[in-house]
Amino acid sequence: DTGVSQDPRHKITKRGQNVTFRCDPISEHNRLYWYRQTLGQGPEFLTYFQNEAQLEKSRLLSDRFSAERPKGSFSTLEIQRTEQGDSAMYLCASSPITDRVISTDTQYFGPGTRLTVL
Amino acid sequence: EDKVVQSPLSLVVHEGDTVTLNCSYEVTNFRSLLWYKQEKKAPTFLFMLTSSGIEKKSGRLSSILDKKELSSILNITATQTGDSAIYLCAVYSGAGSYQLTFGKGTKLSVIP
Repeated sequence: DTGVSQDPRHKITKRGQNVTFRCDPISEHNRLYWYRQTLGQGPEFLTYFQNEAQLEKSRLLSDRFSAERPKGSFSTLEIQRTEQGDSAMYLCASSPITDRVISTDTQYFGPGTRLTVL
Repeated sequence: EDKVVQSPLSLVVHEGDTVTLNCSYEVTNFRSLLWYKQEKKAPTFLFMLTSSGIEKKSGRLSSILDKKELSSILNITATQTGDSAIYLCAVYSGAGSYQLTFGKGTKLSVIP
């Protein structure tokens, strides 16, 4: 049983460039989440998919950010016109649907993509 | 706005010591609290605590949820150098929301 994988693991880009990250969830996990983590902080929620539907978006997710999960499997997170403030670790997590009432699924995290914007 | 606060932010102990990490929360419609361990990369899941499961234990690690005090503790006994990591506390809250709200974490360093 492989875990959540993310690609690339590191990305260095110049301000103003576009970047795209990929996340492959654990097989058959219906839910997929993106978080951003900066140094000294806990992860901050960005967005969440159930299958291919994007059901929640944080106000942190500005117009320059877009996420997709076209076939309900892997997901991509694109950042357009990157800014230095976008430098962070971008974490992806996935979870199965275990409890439809209480909705307390355990989220399993990938290794993250570390973005550095110069 | 939902808040999760962890204390202390960092802690240095010697191998064999027992440590207690704290997490308090102020959220709307609390559903569950999760503990994760983060070393160099991905947070790895430790425990989930809910109204129906307020105490969990696994080996040297244990955790308790105090719903009255809106807090949780994570205990690690007989610490080892491999326990050195950042311990994150996160909460599910709100009606129908699947986002986790995390604290800043406690950085634990265990020295030989």
